[in-house]
Amino acid sequence: KNEVEQSPQNLTAQEGEFITINCSYSVGISALHWLQQHPGGGIVSLFMLSSGKKKHGRLIATINIQEKHSSLHITASHPRDSAVYICAVTGNQFYFGTGTSLTVIP
Amino acid sequence: GAVVSQHPSWVICKSGTSVKIECRSLDFQATTMFWYRQFPKQSLMLMATSNEGSKATYEQGVEKDKFLINHASLTLSTLTVTSAHPEDSSFYICSAKDPASYEQYFGPGTRLTVT
Repeated sequence: KNEVEQSPQNLTAQEGEFITINCSYSVGISALHWLQQHPGGGIVSLFMLSSGKKKHGRLIATINIQEKHSSLHITASHPRDSAVYICAVTGNQFYFGTGTSLTVIP
Repeated sequence: GAVVSQHPSWVICKSGTSVKIECRSLDFQATTMFWYRQFPKQSLMLMATSNEGSKATYEQGVEKDKFLINHASLTLSTLTVTSAHPEDSSFYICSAKDPASYEQYFGPGTRLTVT
């Protein structure tokens, strides 16, 4: 069993749709990261969370420490949001989810 | 926001040669940097933690003599893949922790192809 589980693995959405990607973890953590990886491989750090909620533009990330669960929401999705979204947690060591591949169709 | 750069962004080398990859924090001093690798269609795997001025801490299964890490300054860590083999072909990514904010910033990655 992976320490970090993401769902769904693959997601296709129409432009404009509201998107949610979920991340559950089973270890104690000090922080949770949401990363975006574009087809070329480059990685962008979207959020680092230790509690509550953060918002940046059309992206919203929430974390529930008690339930060991985080969600990444994308409002008004756009084709340029197409990427792999990775959830990672840091505690005693790093654990990475396997990623959610998002395709937004115009 | 804070930026972490990597150089080169891609490199092709012959089997048996060594390749050095640089990771720089551009607008903060990073006492701790991390190196990861990613095989195609797989998630990131932490290779080692690099602390400025001390030896790197390698994850289990990572050969420290093959993947040499040097963190000689607060803004630069290097990963040298020694005697590269085709199976070392991978995407190598670094991240750096900003000690002021505890935020971690990822570099754009370096794609290594060993022929």
